[in-house]
Amino acid sequence: GENVEQHPSTLSVQEGDSAVIKCTYSDSASNYFPWYKQELGKGPQLIIDIRSNVGEKKDQRIAVTLNKTAKHFSLHITETQPEDSAVYFCAASKDSSASKIIFGSGTRLSIRP
Amino acid sequence: DTAVSQTPKYLVTQMGNDKSIKCEQNLGHDTMYWYKQDSKKFLKIMFSYNNKELIINETVPNRFSPKSPDKAHLNLHINSLELGDSAVYFCAARGHPNTEAFFGQGTRLTVV
Repeated sequence: GENVEQHPSTLSVQEGDSAVIKCTYSDSASNYFPWYKQELGKGPQLIIDIRSNVGEKKDQRIAVTLNKTAKHFSLHITETQPEDSAVYFCAASKDSSASKIIFGSGTRLSIRP
Repeated sequence: DTAVSQTPKYLVTQMGNDKSIKCEQNLGHDTMYWYKQDSKKFLKIMFSYNNKELIINETVPNRFSPKSPDKAHLNLHINSLELGDSAVYFCAARGHPNTEAFFGQGTRLTVV
């Protein structure tokens, strides 16, 4: 069935360094890959997304890459700041009105001062 | 102005009780979801509604019954609550497929 795997489950980086979170998906029909950030006590919030016709997308300090052949996609955060500390989820979905969003298991990112 | 709002934010109740969680969206989106987040933060889809019609039911026990009185509301009613139902429940709304889903702030349900 549809599945999204995410690694690592926890990640601690020094402030100013980069953080990378990796995901793989199983359903080759998936064509939309959002990344969500969840802060304590809040709901997940979209930070960036990528569609299958694009290999890379960047928004300021955040970038995502997609390798459709390998069914891999990654989130890169550069120049990390304390406010980047949160749980990050990758997800995948298909282009259908009945489409569900399948989430990875989450990565707890901690930024050390 | 909150796009997706859930009530209540916290819910503590005894085993065997029946409870409801309400969700409202002001985005005008056609698709609404309920997700369950367990203690390990895993987000699992429960239900999906499109224009008030049930589209996805992810083998959720029939003690859980979603109800969509109109396109802007998707409520979740839970009968005979069990300890294992303790979790955070999130409502979400989405417009066109493969666009951003907007989540509510969650309802933390604790069954004692």
